[in-house]
Amino acid sequence: DQQVKQNSPSLSVQEGRISILNCDYTNSMFDYFLWYKKYPAEGPTFLISISSIKDKNEDGRFTVFLNKSAKHLSLHIVPSQPGDSAVYFCAASAILKTSYDKVIFGPGTSLSVIP
Amino acid sequence: ETGVTQSPTHLIKTRGQQVTLRCSSQSGHNTVSWYQQALGQGPQFIFQYYREEENGRGNFPPRFSGLQFPNYSSELNVNALELDDSALYLCASSLVGMNAEAFFGQGTRLTVV
Repeated sequence: DQQVKQNSPSLSVQEGRISILNCDYTNSMFDYFLWYKKYPAEGPTFLISISSIKDKNEDGRFTVFLNKSAKHLSLHIVPSQPGDSAVYFCAASAILKTSYDKVIFGPGTSLSVIP
Repeated sequence: ETGVTQSPTHLIKTRGQQVTLRCSSQSGHNTVSWYQQALGQGPQFIFQYYREEENGRGNFPPRFSGLQFPNYSSELNVNALELDDSALYLCASSLVGMNAEAFFGQGTRLTVV
């Protein structure tokens, strides 16, 4: 029962072009979504997040779009740089006021930015 | 640099043995979560500790247990190791209610033979 799906295991993009990483979720209780980036031999690093009350959040070269009706979000990286080559995890949380906010991760997409 | 450190970085154990993994949280963080990441998969939530008590658990059996200490450092203990326990174990620290934006350590690679 995979609640967060990333259907593209890998993606290759030319340096300077746009990278678009996609993510789908099934649980309508999710109200907070995140992207993490992971380099080999390192732990995941928080990249950007979006609350379910928004449909877009931008931070520099990174923009996350959320389509609640389609239960779909995407991460856009513009322009892509070789240093962006990493595994990107989509994650979702149903933040509960009185308990913990369990985070569910997708399987990841490996991005390669070609110089 | 995240400030979350895990030890050891690599470990090899035999099936049936017990293992303890350690995590030192980022300064000021009062919540620690543990994740298991199998090869080719995303991190899977094991449990979370806040104020030295477990306050959330994923779909892992009781042989996975943990501790959080007053200085917010933490341990993950796994008893009766199975081959399928071979994975990268990640510790993440955060402030309560902000677990989603957590800081991860580099992980401990556990191999069970």
